[in-house]
Amino acid sequence: SQTIHQWPATLVQPVGSPLSLECTVEGTSNPNLYWYRQAAGRGLQLLFYSVGIGQISSEVPQNLSASRPQDRQFILSSKKLLLSDSGFYLCAWSRGQGTEAFFGQGTRLTVV
Amino acid sequence: EDQVTQSPEALRLQEGESSSLNCSYTVSGLRGLFWYRQDPGKGPEFLFTLYSAGEEKEKERLKATLTKKESFLHITAPKPEDSATYLCAVQSSSGAGSYQLTFGKGTKLSVIP
Repeated sequence: SQTIHQWPATLVQPVGSPLSLECTVEGTSNPNLYWYRQAAGRGLQLLFYSVGIGQISSEVPQNLSASRPQDRQFILSSKKLLLSDSGFYLCAWSRGQGTEAFFGQGTRLTVV
Repeated sequence: EDQVTQSPEALRLQEGESSSLNCSYTVSGLRGLFWYRQDPGKGPEFLFTLYSAGEEKEKERLKATLTKKESFLHITAPKPEDSATYLCAVQSSSGAGSYQLTFGKGTKLSVIP
């Protein structure tokens, strides 16, 4: 069966510090990978998606970047965090277009 | 631009009191409509995928239906453990939206014993 791992579960970082969130998927190959952010009172907002190694598409211009160094590994990064980067970050995978996405347990990021 | 609107924003039900949640959508060709359940502090849990108008899916006390403009999540005789936020999402069949899910803001369901 397929599983998705996302860590850490919670993170408190000072403004201006770097960020690295990691997500890995097991039990499948060549998945589509996604990073979403969920803010209070708002729907899930897609940040990045990837259909293959090294292929990253950005949906929202921002202070964040993503990389996919391996088939089942997806990393969300920032060089300098802003207060507005606080939120609940979710990694997800799907088999392809028209198929459901499966989510990790999320990372609660608080920038102070 | 794909859009999803869910109503009501919040719903309180007595245990055993059946009701429905609504998801209205506009999309440039529907590839799929998805329902998720999300518990506080957790990632969304997949429930159903619907692909075409008239399609229905069931799981325990939940039943999802789809028309050309909206989807309903019917909850029959709910129990307190059904309390959660229910999310609806769509994927379009063309353009940038064909690679992503566009989510509504969700309906927060509370089932009172």
